[in-house]
Amino acid sequence: DSGVTQTPKHLITATGQRVTLRCSPRSGDLSVYWYQQSLDQGLQFLIQYYNGEERAKGNILERFSAQQFPDLHSELNLSSLELGDSALYFCASSGQGADGYTFGSGTRLTVV
Amino acid sequence: AQSVTQLDSQVPVFEEAPVELRCNYSSSVSVYLFWYVQYPNQGLQLLLKYLSGSTLVKGINGFEAEFNKSQTSFHLRKPSVHISDTAEYFCAVLISSGSARQLTFGSGTQLTVLP
Repeated sequence: DSGVTQTPKHLITATGQRVTLRCSPRSGDLSVYWYQQSLDQGLQFLIQYYNGEERAKGNILERFSAQQFPDLHSELNLSSLELGDSALYFCASSGQGADGYTFGSGTRLTVV
Repeated sequence: AQSVTQLDSQVPVFEEAPVELRCNYSSSVSVYLFWYVQYPNQGLQLLLKYLSGSTLVKGINGFEAEFNKSQTSFHLRKPSVHISDTAEYFCAVLISSGSARQLTFGSGTQLTVLP
């Protein structure tokens, strides 16, 4: 157990639908990051939140949004889903300083 | 902009043989470098990291990596691999500015250890 909790582990939904992925960071970590992993794109950074505020943005589509709540958990919202959104979505957290991230076990999203 | 290139997408090697997984980076600022491992159907686990100091970094499971600034490389090595080392390995570079951070990953190297 890495200390980063992601739910659900698996999600199957239809095209056009909206889903919410949830992440609880490791205790004490203020930063949360979201990544998408797919066979053709590899590991793509989506977005970072630090203590409730957006801090860095990567290749995140406009149909996707995220937020971090006062208790530091984060949610990634994916809307108007397309087949190509099928992927593993990872959440990671980190403390302060130039240190590595701790990753959750991911949510596997399948859009049918 | 920073980037990471993993030169080999697949590396097959026999059990107990040595292995080197290659990684080159490009960055115009100070770099912090990492290797992560991903076992099937799992998340990414930190193997080792270079932040500063000694250029030879030792990590978990007997892996080590050497930071070479002149060659902009951070190759991962293990003197003797086991079947259980079969996994995908990712090199990554972190750019940090205040509280904003971006960890950029290479495309990954699939290490397959053969009996």
